[in-house]
Amino acid sequence: AQKVTQAQTEISVVEKEDVTLDCVYETRDTTYYLFWYKQPPSGELVFLIRRNSFDEQNEISGRYSWNFQKSTSSFNFTITASQVVDSAVYFCALSELGAGSYQLTFGKGTKLSVIP
Amino acid sequence: DTAVSQTPKYLVTQMGNDKSIKCEQNLGHDTMYWYKQDSKKFLKIMFSYNNKELIINETVPNRFSPKSPDKAHLNLHINSLELGDSAVYFCASSRDQYNEQFFGPGTRLTVL
Repeated sequence: AQKVTQAQTEISVVEKEDVTLDCVYETRDTTYYLFWYKQPPSGELVFLIRRNSFDEQNEISGRYSWNFQKSTSSFNFTITASQVVDSAVYFCALSELGAGSYQLTFGKGTKLSVIP
Repeated sequence: DTAVSQTPKYLVTQMGNDKSIKCEQNLGHDTMYWYKQDSKKFLKIMFSYNNKELIINETVPNRFSPKSPDKAHLNLHINSLELGDSAVYFCASSRDQYNEQFFGPGTRLTVL
């Protein structure tokens, strides 16, 4: 079973639309960390956000917002008023204790295309 | 200054050869990693290296070996390259194992 599930493989939206990228995770640990990374067409991986399992506060950063819900094991990412520059593959990741250290497990990514 | 750098950016080589990819970070981080991203964009950790302790992903063939001359460097050596090794390899570093990782630009390896 996947530890991090990003059910949406590809999403296309028209510029200025809002879009939510889903992420569902699976862990038995009480202490864990969740992340989102962006990979634009140029290929680099850009860190967006980190959340620990004890902090369920939602976060907003400009047009980006994140909704962490432990009850549903979800950590969803919303982009408001999308722009063409938001086109990228977005990865959700889970860090939990395994083999003596915290290991990062990535979801398969969601490719977002924002059409002008 | 680039925080995490990798060289080379592109590497094209013949099957059976041995090659190395270098990684350096200037962030003062204690932990470094190597990831492999396949053609479907799936990212999988290969190694993590923290305070001289190496954690190996058990699925990584022993043809792959990380080498860390000091805390700022973690190089990846690959022996007897195979076609299936073709991928993008990312180096990353983090302050410690609990914090966000910062990635290098990636090395696209093509094995012919």
